[in-house]
Amino acid sequence: GQQVMQIPQYQHVQEGEDFTTYCNSSTTLSNIQWYKQRPGGHPVFLIQLVKSGEVKKQKRLTFQFGEAKKNSSLHITATQTTDVGTYFCAVFTTSGTYKYIFGTGTRLKVLA
Amino acid sequence: SAVISQKPSRDICQRGTSLTIQCQVDSQVTMMFWYRQQPGQSLTLIATANQGSEATYESGFVIDKFPISRPNLTFSTLTVSNMSPEDSSIYLCSATVAGELFFGEGSRLTVL
Repeated sequence: GQQVMQIPQYQHVQEGEDFTTYCNSSTTLSNIQWYKQRPGGHPVFLIQLVKSGEVKKQKRLTFQFGEAKKNSSLHITATQTTDVGTYFCAVFTTSGTYKYIFGTGTRLKVLA
Repeated sequence: SAVISQKPSRDICQRGTSLTIQCQVDSQVTMMFWYRQQPGQSLTLIATANQGSEATYESGFVIDKFPISRPNLTFSTLTVSNMSPEDSSIYLCSATVAGELFFGEGSRLTVL
């Protein structure tokens, strides 16, 4: 079945440093979504990308969909302690049944 | 958006028993899903809860072990049957609204 890998698995950064997580698929994706899960919480939707090469920004967060629609990235500028959590990419797939497949996740820790 | 209420939030269960998790959405939704999340891991889709028909299970999950009901467009239940310690996990109910996945707070099950 569909598999979506993320790297790195873990990242520790000093507050103020930048952070990037990458999401990779072996197959072409119709869309990519990003979610954030705070420690002890549930995943919360951040954004969806659907177009090749699409770039979207949310304050310090920049999301990009690759030209070949097989990869995506989430970049956080000048991390803050509130950015702590696990970031997941997810794919909505309609092959077979409609469902959302989550990537392996990147756990971010921000050191004050 | 959608607000999803899930209960119980946590429970400690004995081996061999069964537990039913309830999920209530504050609006009618087309798609509902059940995920399992082991500590520090990603979300694994158990099944899609279909209204008025049998749930669609992912590979590795079977109806006898995880029976699911979806009597209407706002409610679903997941039963974890004949539990073993390997079933200790967080179970998350989710629903889509306008392409976004919303999650309940999760049910943390510990099987002794």
